[in-house]
Amino acid sequence: AQSVTQLGSHVSVSEGALVLLRCNYSSSVPPYLFWYVQYPNQGLQLLLKYTTGATLVKGINGFEAEFKKSETSFHLTKPSAHMSDAAEYFCAVTSKAAGNKLTFGGGTRVLVKP
Amino acid sequence: DTAVSQTPKYLVTQMGNDKSIKCEQNLGHDTMYWYKQDSKKFLKIMFSYNNKELIINETVPNRFSPKSPDKAHLNLHINSLELGDSAVYFCASSQEGLPNNEQFFGPGTRLTVL
Repeated sequence: AQSVTQLGSHVSVSEGALVLLRCNYSSSVPPYLFWYVQYPNQGLQLLLKYTTGATLVKGINGFEAEFKKSETSFHLTKPSAHMSDAAEYFCAVTSKAAGNKLTFGGGTRVLVKP
Repeated sequence: DTAVSQTPKYLVTQMGNDKSIKCEQNLGHDTMYWYKQDSKKFLKIMFSYNNKELIINETVPNRFSPKSPDKAHLNLHINSLELGDSAVYFCASSQEGLPNNEQFFGPGTRLTVL
């Protein structure tokens, strides 16, 4: 079985400050990990993904995430928050063994203060 | 040039009615999914079809019946709608066999049952 836990359902950051969203996963096989962003009243857009290879992955809009197997984590960061980063962020896990079934975390809403 | 499209975007209906949501993807993918996002933003997979064949069927009431006329379409029919069916329903698609298993999401259909 696979699962995802996102610590903090809400995160508030000041514009220009570091954004850090935490994600821990559970998987009995090598995982594929994803971060999706959902803007208000829109669908999900892929920010970045980890499948194999380099553990530090860079995505769109200046976001990056690091896969740490020993910590079963895939935290998302952005050095400097922008007002346009205000959205809901979802971490998700799947694997070949899971048959492409994506399991999502509960989401983290990011509020950016001017 | 929309990749994954859903119709309608909004659907308001009375309890007990039957309704359908349509999904189409023009990415040439062979796998399609339906997800339900509840009022707390929690996302959960409902169904997955690969080449018109049902692959994933989570614990969903049998009032929900997916239909895939071809691999580019996956429709969701809901019988005897209940208040608890109110949610945003997302369609997604991916290509089986690719290592990244990236799923592309539609814009969502917000269903409100009165």
